Formats: sequence, C-alpha cells, structure tokens
Amino acid sequence: DSGVTQTPKHLITATGQRVTLRCSPRSGDLSVYWYQQSLDQGLQFLIQYYNGEERAKGNILERFSAQQFPDLHSELNLSSLELGDSALYFCASSLGTSGGAGTQYFGPGTRLLVL
Amino acid sequence: AQSVAQPEDQVNVAEGNPLTVKCTYSVSGNPYLFWYVQYPNRGLQFLLKYITGDNLVKGSYGFEAEFNKSQTSFHLKKPSALVSDSALYVCAVRDDYGGATNKLIFGTGTLLAVQP
Repeated sequence: DSGVTQTPKHLITATGQRVTLRCSPRSGDLSVYWYQQSLDQGLQFLIQYYNGEERAKGNILERFSAQQFPDLHSELNLSSLELGDSALYFCASSLGTSGGAGTQYFGPGTRLLVL
Repeated sequence: AQSVAQPEDQVNVAEGNPLTVKCTYSVSGNPYLFWYVQYPNRGLQFLLKYITGDNLVKGSYGFEAEFNKSQTSFHLKKPSALVSDSALYVCAVRDDYGGATNKLIFGTGTLLAVQP
C-alpha cells in the first residue's frame, strides 16, 4: 500500500457527462500528480500541483481541470466526456519536487468507462 | 526532449533464471531514472531509482538496475526470477526543467512472464 488513496475505483458514465476523481496524497507529501493510462497512449502526465499551486501541465485537455485543496487532497474534473476519455486515471504524490524527495508514489487508480 | 524507450513488449523467462528488462533514455541533462511495477488492476509500485552515485542501484523485491551513461541505458535485473514477478514493468525518466517540476515520462512498459 503506497499510502495514496483514490476514489472512486470504478466509474461508468455516458458521453457528455462530467465526473470528479479524488486523490488523497501520502501523509506529508506536498506534490500531487495526475496521469492517464490508456491502451494506445500508455501513461501520460496530465498535471502537477505543489502545495496548492499548479506546477506543471502536460497533455491535459481543456475539458479537464484539477485543483489541490488546502488539506492537500486533489480533484481531477473531467467534463463533456467522450468515448476516448475511457482510461485509468492515476494520482501520485511526492514529498517535494527534487532529488530523492521527488520520488512519486502512485494510488490504485480510477478506471473510467464512458459509454 | 526527454524520452524513454523499452524495446521489448514482452520478456519470457523460466523461474529461477536471471531476468533483464531493458530501458534506454534520452535526456538533455542529468538523468533521474525510475522503475515501477504494475500488477493487474493495481497501481504502479515504486521499485528503485537512480539519481546520482553508484551505477548499480538496489531496490525492492530483489531487483536491481544498472545505470550506464555511455549506453544511455538503465536495465532492470534480478538474479533469480519468481513466478510472482510476472507483471508490467515500466521505466520512467524525470522531465526536469531545472527542478521546477518533477513530472515523469514513462516508457510503454514490458510485460514480464515467468514460467514455472
């Protein structure tokens, strides 16, 4: 168990809908990362927050947004869902962003299925 | 741009035999390299990392990795494979913009199958 929790584990929804994925980092970790894993794209970095502030953006669609709250948990919001958004969404956390403090520990993921 | 390549989609090995899972990288500065393992329907588990220092890095579950700067490789190894090692192994490199971020770039993964 990495100490990173994600809810829900599974999510089934329809095209056009909006969903929110939640992540709680390991105790003491300040950085949260979101990744998308799909069969054709592999693991892709979406976005990173550090202590409440956006730190880096990757291949995140405009329909997707995220935030990190004062208690350091994070939410990833996916809207106007399309079939192609079906994937595993992972959250990871790290103590900091450099050196050994930057080792990322992953949650179990949320499997999203858009029908 | 930073990148990672895992040239083998699948590696088959008999239980008790040594295993190697290959990874090569391309970075503009000093590489920060990681190996993760993913079991079915589970998240990624951290195995080991190379940041600096000894080229041979020891990690969890008896795994180790050898950093080779001249060959830009970071191959994962284990002296004696177990059936329970069967999983997806993913290599990653930190995409480092002067330390401002810590995002990882992942390889496509190598499926390790250990036969009894």
